[in-house]
Amino acid sequence: GDSVTQMEGPVTLSEEAFLTINCTYTATGYPSLFWYVQYPGEGLQLLLKATKADDKGSNKGFEATYRKETTSFHLEKGSVQVSDSAVYFCALSSNGGGSNYKLTFGKGTLLTVNP
Amino acid sequence: DGGITQSPKYLFRKEGQNVTLSCEQNLNHDAMYWYRQDPGQGLRLIYYSQIVNDFQKGDIAEGYSVSREKKESFPLTVTSAQKNPTAFYLCASSPDQGGAYNEQFFGPGTRLTVL
Repeated sequence: GDSVTQMEGPVTLSEEAFLTINCTYTATGYPSLFWYVQYPGEGLQLLLKATKADDKGSNKGFEATYRKETTSFHLEKGSVQVSDSAVYFCALSSNGGGSNYKLTFGKGTLLTVNP
Repeated sequence: DGGITQSPKYLFRKEGQNVTLSCEQNLNHDAMYWYRQDPGQGLRLIYYSQIVNDFQKGDIAEGYSVSREKKESFPLTVTSAQKNPTAFYLCASSPDQGGAYNEQFFGPGTRLTVL
């Protein structure tokens, strides 16, 4: 079945540091890929997405490129801020060969940014 | 403003009691979903509905029930058969019937604690 593996946290960085959160996946067919962010006590918000190979999703300084050859969708940001502290989830949308598309999530990575 | 509302934000239940979590959306979305979030386990799909009066089991449906009598509402009942119901419950919706490219929009969540 479909699965998403993302680097385990927690990740602790200083403000303005470079961020990478690794995400790899296994899926049937050609999935769409997403990064969601969850701030403390809240629901999930879509951060960025990519729907086909070599697409780059970007938003709020975050980027991720859909790499089919390595089945990866790593999240990067060049300079993190304290306000980026949150849990980040990598997810894929696939029909698994059937007709219904569902999201499969990674376990999440907690990011803490210190001033 | 359009969005998804979940109520209550916090819910306490005694063992052996059924409890119903509310989820309402005014986004005119066809598909709705219920997830359970536990620390370190990411999100797991409980039930989903692609259209009114129809719903399917997700990965962990045992001990839960749902209904979809109206497009905007998708309540979740946690029954006494659910052995470990303490968790954070998230409701989501998506524009069409779970298409691959459509993001899911999440509510703020309900934290259920069994006393």
